[in-house]
Amino acid sequence: DAGVIQSPRHEVTEMGQEVTLRCKPISGHDYLFWYRQTMMRGLELLIYFNNNVPIDDSGMPEDRFSAKMPNASFSTLKIQPSEPRDSAVYFCASSFGSGRSTDTQYFGPGTRLTVL
Amino acid sequence: DAKTTQPTSMDCAEGRAANLPCNHSTISGNEYVYWYRQIHSQGPQYIIHGLKNNETNEMASLIITEDRKSSTLILPHATLRDTAVYYCIVRVVWTGTASKLTFGTGTRLQVTL
Repeated sequence: DAGVIQSPRHEVTEMGQEVTLRCKPISGHDYLFWYRQTMMRGLELLIYFNNNVPIDDSGMPEDRFSAKMPNASFSTLKIQPSEPRDSAVYFCASSFGSGRSTDTQYFGPGTRLTVL
Repeated sequence: DAKTTQPTSMDCAEGRAANLPCNHSTISGNEYVYWYRQIHSQGPQYIIHGLKNNETNEMASLIITEDRKSSTLILPHATLRDTAVYYCIVRVVWTGTASKLTFGTGTRLQVTL
């Protein structure tokens, strides 16, 4: 299995531009999570999906952020418009059957976003 | 979820056992102890988890005290590749919806020659 795949690995953009981050979860996993990591705030959960349906988006910082999961094998996190304070590493993770003790979350390599 | 307390950093000589402590004095009966680690520039990686019994897998051992208020992650023979930030997380496994992983600041383990 290729694991969780994220693209792009690095993104540099200018303030005000739209940014789209992509994630392909591990096949068969029914939960997908988006995290953000910064030096100041550490690793924080933004949103997660179950069977393609958003379950908890309480961690999404503001309306500029949106996430979708059109099918079981693809999710996007969009920032529009982007701001310099959005600069961070964004991780996607997936798991199978969350709610059991063995629902290990597998993380992707992350997308390092820099907003100038 | 219960809060955890970990030392900020630790050093360990290569080949020696690395013992990483975690305090979770407010843990509830239905909360598990999980350990993840994050090697520089990579996503977090699951290591091990347990409820009240000691656990061992190919990566590490988890020792949970009888009162469950603290635990220790043991890497039996640390290598340079074990240098990472180690996160101890306490979470309820089932609340009707997916339970979150709440990452604290972790322990930065430096393995040296």
